[in-house]
Amino acid sequence: AQSVTQLGSHVSVSEGALVLLRCNYSSSVPPYLFWYVQYPNQGLQLLLKYTSAATLVKGINGFEAEFKKSETSFHLTKPSAHMSDAAEYFCAVGKFGNEKLTFGTGTRLTIIP
Amino acid sequence: DGGITQSPKYLFRKEGQNVTLSCEQNLNHDAMYWYRQDPGQGLRLIYYSQIVNDFQKGDIAEGYSVSREKKESFPLTVTSAQKNPTAFYLCASSTQGQAPSFYGYTFGSGTRLTVV
Repeated sequence: AQSVTQLGSHVSVSEGALVLLRCNYSSSVPPYLFWYVQYPNQGLQLLLKYTSAATLVKGINGFEAEFKKSETSFHLTKPSAHMSDAAEYFCAVGKFGNEKLTFGTGTRLTIIP
Repeated sequence: DGGITQSPKYLFRKEGQNVTLSCEQNLNHDAMYWYRQDPGQGLRLIYYSQIVNDFQKGDIAEGYSVSREKKESFPLTVTSAQKNPTAFYLCASSTQGQAPSFYGYTFGSGTRLTVV
């Protein structure tokens, strides 16, 4: 079975500071990994995905994530937070042949002016 | 532009009523999914469908029903048997074959259901 754990349900950072949102996965086979962003009262939008190509993945809005097999992690980072980054972020894991993704419980990111 | 349309955006239900949430996609995706979102609980899968006229229960199917008569449409009915239906409902779709987990999902903008 596959699973994903997001450490920290709430994260606050100052505007201009580094954003780090943590995601650890469990999978018996090489995983596919995703980060989604959700703004209030909206659906989820794909930020980036890892599908066994480059381990450092760049996404939209300046976000990136690094796949680290030894740590079973796929943490999301952004060098400098912007007020518009305030949202909820979900990590998800899938695997080849599986018709469903498994989502984490989400991390709410607050940006302090 | 292709996408998923959920309607209505806000829905109010009286006790004992059935209500139906609409989900339509024009992405030519085979697979469709319904999720329920409650604060602090992430996304919980209600039902999913990989092909027309077929669907499977997810983790919290009790009190819900679905149909998949057309590839483009996957409506969700919240029945009176669902005792706590107030939540945000999200519909998603994906390509099929062996790799929906490779491509990820496309989500609709959600329906917020409130019991009054």
